[in-house]
Amino acid sequence: AQSVTQPDIHITVSEGASLELRCNYSYGATPYLFWYVQSPGQGLQLLLKYFSGDTLVQGIKGFEAEFKRSQSSFNLRKPSVHWSDAAEYFCAVFSGGYNKLIFGAGTRLAVHP
Amino acid sequence: SAVISQKPSRDICQRGTSLTIQCQVDSQVTMMFWYRQQPGQSLTLIATANQGSEATYESGFVIDKFPISRPNLTFSTLTVSNMSPEDSSIYLCSVDGLNTEAFFGQGTRLTVV
Repeated sequence: AQSVTQPDIHITVSEGASLELRCNYSYGATPYLFWYVQSPGQGLQLLLKYFSGDTLVQGIKGFEAEFKRSQSSFNLRKPSVHWSDAAEYFCAVFSGGYNKLIFGAGTRLAVHP
Repeated sequence: SAVISQKPSRDICQRGTSLTIQCQVDSQVTMMFWYRQQPGQSLTLIATANQGSEATYESGFVIDKFPISRPNLTFSTLTVSNMSPEDSSIYLCSVDGLNTEAFFGQGTRLTVV
């Protein structure tokens, strides 16, 4: 069955530090992968997506993610975190068989000044 | 991208009552999705609503508890019926983009007392 695992429930980084949020997926075919961000009291905003081609994808707000098929991973990175990046981050895979998005449990990011 | 408006943004309701949540999209879409996000949890798909047909519910969700209407291609409602404190959650409306990415409303934060 398709699934998404985000191993880190909470992560705390200092402002200006680099960030990597982990995401592992289980999917039989070539996955469509997404990262969403949810700020407090808000809906979800799409950060970036991977369908095919270049395995390093660029998104909004300075985020990027790298698709690694051999590791079934799609980790999100940012070289320098800003205080406004504090939010919840969700990784998701689109299940073509079920025609729906499957979300990971989310990683809550806190940023220290 | 699609702009999605949800109403109400939040509500506090008495147990045993019902709440109807509205979702308006700024463009015509075939499929609309309703999600539940329980406190500290990820998103769980409740149902998929296509215009002109009955909504399709995910395992664990039933029409009597979560009736959905989809009267046209830009609007849908979700009703949470006979509410209990366990229904306290964020309810999110979503639509598909061109490439299976999803766009979300800002959510409805429901508290049942």
